[in-house]
Amino acid sequence: KNEVEQSPQNLTAQEGEFITINCSYSVGISALHWLQQHPGGGIVSLFMLSSGKKKHGRLIATINIQEKHSSLHITASHPRDSAVYICAVRPSDNTDKLIFGTGTRLQVFP
Amino acid sequence: DVKVTQSSRYLVKRTGEKVFLECVQDMDHENMFWYRQDPGLGLRLIYFSYDVKMKEKGDIPEGYSVSREKKERFSLILESASTNQTSMYLCASSFWNSPEAFFGQGTRLTVV
Repeated sequence: KNEVEQSPQNLTAQEGEFITINCSYSVGISALHWLQQHPGGGIVSLFMLSSGKKKHGRLIATINIQEKHSSLHITASHPRDSAVYICAVRPSDNTDKLIFGTGTRLQVFP
Repeated sequence: DVKVTQSSRYLVKRTGEKVFLECVQDMDHENMFWYRQDPGLGLRLIYFSYDVKMKEKGDIPEGYSVSREKKERFSLILESASTNQTSMYLCASSFWNSPEAFFGQGTRLTVV
């Protein structure tokens, strides 16, 4: 079993829909990242969380440390949100390494 | 802005060739990482370096080596490329003991 599980693996939506991507992990963590990867490969960091909730524009990320679960929400989705969204955790064992989920491929149609 | 630059976006190499993938970062980060990304498997760590000339094996180091002669540059070497090394390769860097990592744009390597 992967230490970081994402769901769903693939997601299609109509423009304007509210989208939720989930991430569950099985290790103690010091931080959780949500990353975005567009076709072509480059990865950008959307959020880094250790507790609570963060918001940036139409994106909201939440984390529940007790339940070892995080969600990424996209409000009023747009075709330009189409990308792979990756959850990654930094274990709390003082390593600087990240453990990655396998990603969620999102396609938003006009 | 932090920049992590990988030398090539796309590479096509022949089986048995020696392949160098270069990564340069401009933020004086101590840590540098090489990952490969394959469908259904996510990003897997190949090698990690926490200082000049220091390296540590990741989860899948077989068939790869690395070099870190200068702090800003981390090279991934495929000594004898094989078709199962066809993949997307991503470089990342971070400060020591910082959870925030910065990624390059990726190199899509095809070995024929």
